[in-house]
Amino acid sequence: AQTVTQSQPEMSVQEAETVTLSCTYDTSESDYYLFWYKQPPSRQMILVIRQEAYKQQNATENRFSVNFQKAAKSFSLKISDSQLGDAAMYFCAYRRNEGSQGNLIFGKGTKLSVKP
Amino acid sequence: EAGVAQSPRYKIIEKRQSVAFWCNPISGHATLYWYQQILGQGPKLLIQFQNNGVVDDSQLPKDRFSAERLKGVDSTLKIQPAKLEDSAVYLCASSPRGAGANEKLFFGSGTQLSVL
Repeated sequence: AQTVTQSQPEMSVQEAETVTLSCTYDTSESDYYLFWYKQPPSRQMILVIRQEAYKQQNATENRFSVNFQKAAKSFSLKISDSQLGDAAMYFCAYRRNEGSQGNLIFGKGTKLSVKP
Repeated sequence: EAGVAQSPRYKIIEKRQSVAFWCNPISGHATLYWYQQILGQGPKLLIQFQNNGVVDDSQLPKDRFSAERLKGVDSTLKIQPAKLEDSAVYLCASSPRGAGANEKLFFGSGTQLSVL
């Protein structure tokens, strides 16, 4: 069974600084997708960034980038120039590539605080 | 574009009572998901619909949970009877086609259920 582990329950960063959130996963599949979702206090999960496992190039979305190490099964999220609005729970998620099926498996999350 | 609508936002019931949650996905979205998020954990898929058919309900406790999606649009999730361990946030999500594992999911703000 696939598992997703986020080893940092809480992280803190100063506004305008950079922070990295860690995620590791376990799978025997070779074709899958990885995601980072943000969950603010409103509870609505928002997709931050996604990575296709067969692409070696790390995904980037504005201030958000990932460091995808397939052999190590590691998928960390880097937030640059942190803003107060980045404060939220961040969830790493895995989904194997099998068409319309394939359950999204989430980690337990990391609570990010941003200090002004 | 309107987002995924869920109601109620909060619900408090006593154990052994029944409760129902409602979800209206984004217009035109073929796939609808119900997730359970227990405090301190990531969301866990309960059931996935493609139009009005069930794609995956392997993690739905069918002895007490039921869900339907009439006419392939809005959906209702019911718990009968509720147990203390059902206390959680119930998130509804939708996606346009559900034809790809990398497809973006759009989440609602969830219903927070407290079972006393």
